[in-house]
Amino acid sequence: NAGVMQNPRHLVRRRGQEARLRCSPMKGHSHVYWYRQLPEEGLKFMVYLQKENIIDESGMPKERFSAEFPKEGPSILRIQQVVRGDSAAYFCASSLQGVHANEQYFGPGTRLTVT
Amino acid sequence: AQSVTQLGSHVSVSEGALVLLRCNYSSSVPPYLFWYVQYPNQGLQLLLKYTSAATLVKGINGFEAEFKKSETSFHLTKPSAHMSDAAEYFCAVRTNTGNQFYFGTGTSLTVIP
Repeated sequence: NAGVMQNPRHLVRRRGQEARLRCSPMKGHSHVYWYRQLPEEGLKFMVYLQKENIIDESGMPKERFSAEFPKEGPSILRIQQVVRGDSAAYFCASSLQGVHANEQYFGPGTRLTVT
Repeated sequence: AQSVTQLGSHVSVSEGALVLLRCNYSSSVPPYLFWYVQYPNQGLQLLLKYTSAATLVKGINGFEAEFKKSETSFHLTKPSAHMSDAAEYFCAVRTNTGNQFYFGTGTSLTVIP
């Protein structure tokens, strides 16, 4: 059973470009979470999605960031007009259900560098 | 509101010595507590979790943690450190009223041969 897959693992963008980060959850998981990790910091929650629905986006910046989890295909985190402050590791996690006692399984992350 | 505090951003122990990584949480409702480990350039791997059953929780790789409600703590321990334990460790809390995990800032464990 493959784990959570993220691609690309490393992404370099110039300021003003768009970044698209992909996440395929574990097989059978329909709940996806995105987190951002800045250097020397813990993970910060961004958004929680189920298939075709955004459940909680309280951690998402109001501008330039969006996320989707379509019926078919991976979840996408999209960052428009990237700035240097967007440089970070972005982790996706999935869980079997939204039940709160369930752990989340994390992907290897995408390391975004904005030059 | 929920939050997690990990005391000590860097901890060094000798190989074979006791490992103690501290985690204190703040939660207005009963929490679910987790410890994750992160190796360089990898994602987070679950070590163990507390979900209101036994207060002493055993995890993988010989780690365990004890939930102490009176101290609002969930410290991670291992009796004897191994070189392969060198990594970043994160404590996280979740409640039955929220969707997200709240992570601490992490503790980097170094094991000295």
